[in-house]
Amino acid sequence: DTEVTQTPKHLVMGMTNKKSLKCEQHMGHRAMYWYKQKAKKPPELMFVYSYEKLSINESVPSRFSPECPNSSLLNLHLHALQPEDSALYLCASSPPTGYTEAFFGQGTRLTVV
Amino acid sequence: AQSVTQLGSHVSVSEGALVLLRCNYSSSVPPYLFWYVQYPNQGLQLLLKYTSAATLVKGINGFEAEFKKSETSFHLTKPSAHMSDAAEYFCAVNMDTGRRALTFGSGTRLQVQP
Repeated sequence: DTEVTQTPKHLVMGMTNKKSLKCEQHMGHRAMYWYKQKAKKPPELMFVYSYEKLSINESVPSRFSPECPNSSLLNLHLHALQPEDSALYLCASSPPTGYTEAFFGQGTRLTVV
Repeated sequence: AQSVTQLGSHVSVSEGALVLLRCNYSSSVPPYLFWYVQYPNQGLQLLLKYTSAATLVKGINGFEAEFKKSETSFHLTKPSAHMSDAAEYFCAVNMDTGRRALTFGSGTRLQVQP
């Protein structure tokens, strides 16, 4: 199994809503990532978890709250988002050692209204 | 900080023609380099990777890339373009600095004309 599964694929939420994005992988990877991608732009790193601990937070606003409940799951909790937060949110994972490639999910297309 | 630069935000080729997508890296030590492809409304798929084992790297879908230290380049090529190659291509770098996360170039959109 070389898949990273993200749910939902599409999400429309209001600025006062609370929602969560989910990501799951069963490759035994111990590094997991959230990236944000705006239209016609490259993915931008948001968070990195290594062995279920947050190791990198790229100065992301607190309305984005990551969570890694176990080695296979990664969540991104969303609250009080702004329309400019509308983007494709990509989850990725990679093996725990070395500097290898990351495996990406299909993404969640988020629209904030 | 280490980074990659992709020259040309758009490249258009005819079906059957050579594909050449350019990527240069800035680094004082050999980096780990990758090429990813992204189709519309999809995630990123790894095409190939350079991890110092060989300078000419072959990937999926007939793509290959050559690592040239003297030119700090890692250009992506394919001898004959197919319509299905139309997509966004990203060069990415990962370095042995403790920051184990990919940094992406700005991307190149490949159009294939019939």
